[in-house]
Amino acid sequence: EDQVTQSPEALRLQEGESSSLNCSYTVSGLRGLFWYRQDPGKGPEFLFTLYSAGEEKEKERLKATLTKKESFLHITAPKPEDSATYLCAVEGSNYKLTFGKGTLLTVNP
Amino acid sequence: DAGVTQSPTHLIKTRGQQVTLRCSPISGHKSVSWYQQVLGQGPQFIFQYYEKEERGRGNFPDRFSARQFPNYSSELNVNALLLGDSALYLCASSPGTVLGDEKLFFGSGTQLSVL
Repeated sequence: EDQVTQSPEALRLQEGESSSLNCSYTVSGLRGLFWYRQDPGKGPEFLFTLYSAGEEKEKERLKATLTKKESFLHITAPKPEDSATYLCAVEGSNYKLTFGKGTLLTVNP
Repeated sequence: DAGVTQSPTHLIKTRGQQVTLRCSPISGHKSVSWYQQVLGQGPQFIFQYYEKEERGRGNFPDRFSARQFPNYSSELNVNALLLGDSALYLCASSPGTVLGDEKLFFGSGTQLSVL
């Protein structure tokens, strides 16, 4: 069974204080690793897809990286509007998406 | 363009009742998936439909069922509601042009409370 573990569960940063979120996974036949952002009362919003170890993708202050066992979401100089829950998910050979519990990020001004 | 729309936004039911949740995908999207998100947890896969056929099913009891219509909209039905069914039910759509490996576009969900 595919599994995704995210850490930390919650992270509080000061504006401008860079950090990283971790996503550890076990999956049979990785087809893709996904990062989503979820704001309170909303559905998840797509950020990135990573397909193979060594791949990196960037979007504004966010950078996602992938190894064979984990993925990191690096946040550089975060702003208060980056506050949200960040979800990691994997799709394996069964074509089903398995999500982690998420990391609740709070960025204080 | 309109995103994924779900109705109703909130719903209160009592144990043993039945509920139907509705979802309209983004125009042109042929695949619809349903997820259950309990407070403090990540979304859990329930069903995926593509071109009106069930493509995948998660580990949910037979009380949960779904269907997709010719216009690609979808309904999720839950029978004999239990307190543990209280959750945010999310619908997601994707173009469905490839088998898997697609980014999903989520609606804002239906918040179901079972009393």
